[in-house]
Amino acid sequence: DGGITQSPKYLFRKEGQNVTLSCEQNLNHDAMYWYRQDPGQGLRLIYYSQIVNDFQKGDIAEGYSVSREKKESFPLTVTSAQKNPTAFYLCASSMIAGLQPQHFGDGTRLSIL
Amino acid sequence: SQQGEEDPQALSIQEGENATMNCSYKTSINNLQWYRQNSGRGLVHLILIRSNEREKHSGRLRVTLDTSKKSSSLLITASRAADTASYFCATDSMDSNYQLIWGAGTKLIIKP
Repeated sequence: DGGITQSPKYLFRKEGQNVTLSCEQNLNHDAMYWYRQDPGQGLRLIYYSQIVNDFQKGDIAEGYSVSREKKESFPLTVTSAQKNPTAFYLCASSMIAGLQPQHFGDGTRLSIL
Repeated sequence: SQQGEEDPQALSIQEGENATMNCSYKTSINNLQWYRQNSGRGLVHLILIRSNEREKHSGRLRVTLDTSKKSSSLLITASRAADTASYFCATDSMDSNYQLIWGAGTKLIIKP
């Protein structure tokens, strides 16, 4: 079955540590996205990628980094510069950027130890 | 930046009743989409309505769009316990470089 897989489901970060969240899709979609969701709020865009080897900052990119070396993979690194990383992180993909529904993974919940 | 605002923030109704959620936005849009999110899960796409459309149906879902009032509504008819979830609207426009701008969602609880 086609879909998006995020791992791990739960992640704990120590102070000063970088952590990487995995996102893999087998939908053959060109565009991929990372969102942050805080309790009771909507999604905020961290980074998005319209094509391999290209990505753009979203509204809240500070303290995060991404790479897009393969079409199916779009990992997100939460760096130690992100002082408030506790949130639910969602990865999504769409056939092309904009104009299309987005398909979501089941998220990674990141907490600080 | 959040463009969409859902109303109400929370809604609790009896099973079998209809549920109506509203979404207002600020700038001209290209498309408006509705998504559902079950607790602790990812979002699932429900309906996309284009700016030149006024109404769309999908099963028990009916979405309307009024671009003059910059608002949309999602109606779920004959609600079921499985409809318990949060519902989000998202818009895209030239201003957002066609990226989705999300509202804060309506939390819907269906009481059995």
